[in-house]
Amino acid sequence: DAGVIQSPRHEVTEMGQEVTLRCKPISGHNSLFWYRQTMMRGLELLIYFNNNVPIDDSGMPEDRFSAKMPNASFSTLKIQPSEPRDSAVYFCASSPSGGADQPQHFGDGTRLSIL
Amino acid sequence: GEDVEQSLFLSVREGDSSVINCTYTDSSSTYLYWYKQEPGAGLQLLTYIFSNMDMKQDQRLTVLLNKKDKHLSLRIADTQTGDSAIYFCAESEGDKLIFGTGTRLQVFP
Repeated sequence: DAGVIQSPRHEVTEMGQEVTLRCKPISGHNSLFWYRQTMMRGLELLIYFNNNVPIDDSGMPEDRFSAKMPNASFSTLKIQPSEPRDSAVYFCASSPSGGADQPQHFGDGTRLSIL
Repeated sequence: GEDVEQSLFLSVREGDSSVINCTYTDSSSTYLYWYKQEPGAGLQLLTYIFSNMDMKQDQRLTVLLNKKDKHLSLRIADTQTGDSAIYFCAESEGDKLIFGTGTRLQVFP
């Protein structure tokens, strides 16, 4: 069975450039989560969607970050303009319904380096 | 806000048992989780426990929950080198999970 698919796996770009990270959740899962992982701050929830609708974006660092989920099988996380402090591993996760009894399944992440 | 704490490192000899500990703050959490992260990979769900349970066993894994002390532990029996990874505990907060800092388990021969 296909798990959560993220692309690209690695991204290196110069500061000021726009970065778009992509995620395909597990088919049939209705909830999607974006996380950022750094050594300093650990794993942080950025935003999550239920049925394609953003529910909680309180973890989004600032206006440079935006996320969309145009349909049930695709989501993007965009950073514009990017800055070196955005360098991190970004994970996408999905779960069947988002409830506490529905474990989240993670993708392998996108390792982002902003020079 | 909610906080989940773990020790950062644990080193054990192959064949011994490993015990990874976690404390959490939200007494209303209904589920508590253990995830494993291997290098270059995402988090893989290992097991989870409902808050009205004290213990759950799954092959080499045993989860113990002390709700009074808000303490969760993961015991790995007969630890193998393939168990070397970072282990995260997480508490549920509504639809969200609050993760700990992760414990890096190193297994040496």
